[in-house]
Amino acid sequence: DQQVKQNSPSLSVQEGRISILNCDYTNSMFDYFLWYKKYPAEGPTFLISISSIKDKNEDGRFTVFLNKSAKHLSLHIVPSQPGDSAVYFCAASNSNSGYALNFGKGTSLLVTP
Amino acid sequence: NAGVTQTPKFRILKIGQSMTLQCTQDMNHNYMYWYRQDPGMGLKLIYYSVGAGITDKGEVPNGYNVSRSTTEDFPLRLELAAPSQTSVYFCASSYPGDRAYEQYFGPGTRLTVT
Repeated sequence: DQQVKQNSPSLSVQEGRISILNCDYTNSMFDYFLWYKKYPAEGPTFLISISSIKDKNEDGRFTVFLNKSAKHLSLHIVPSQPGDSAVYFCAASNSNSGYALNFGKGTSLLVTP
Repeated sequence: NAGVTQTPKFRILKIGQSMTLQCTQDMNHNYMYWYRQDPGMGLKLIYYSVGAGITDKGEVPNGYNVSRSTTEDFPLRLELAAPSQTSVYFCASSYPGDRAYEQYFGPGTRLTVT
């Protein structure tokens, strides 16, 4: 039962443009949401997070938006750079469950020059 | 800091064999985790530990065992390997409390069971 869903397996964006990666979740008990970035043959690396009490968190070129009523979050990358090409995983957690992360299947982002 | 290290990087097992995947972290993190990632899927939690001597099951614990005798090490034991355990295994660690969400991952162990 996939509680975190990333419905776009891949996304291609031109360098300098905005990349928008989407994520939906079903468990209303989730209270913390994260994005991880993964390059081939490496482990995921933490990118940005947002608590359920906020609707936006920004860190440099990366912004995460949370819409709790729609159970939806998105990651915006502006401007996109070729080095951003990677697989992006959305993850969610319930602080009552030992901080275990529930991951989506990932979206492969390709930023073309 | 080496961060989170995992050995081996690759391994091929025959059905019914056993092995231990090693994981070590040098960041003095209390929390440690084992995930598996099947092709085209997200990571699924196998086991986690909130400190030495304390472990708990995650979403997919069947066929695996763990122990946590030190803060640094969190080995994952596969008994009687099955083809369904073919996967990439990631170990991760984190600080406790609110920072537990920011997990630091190792490079992974690619395991094939034939």
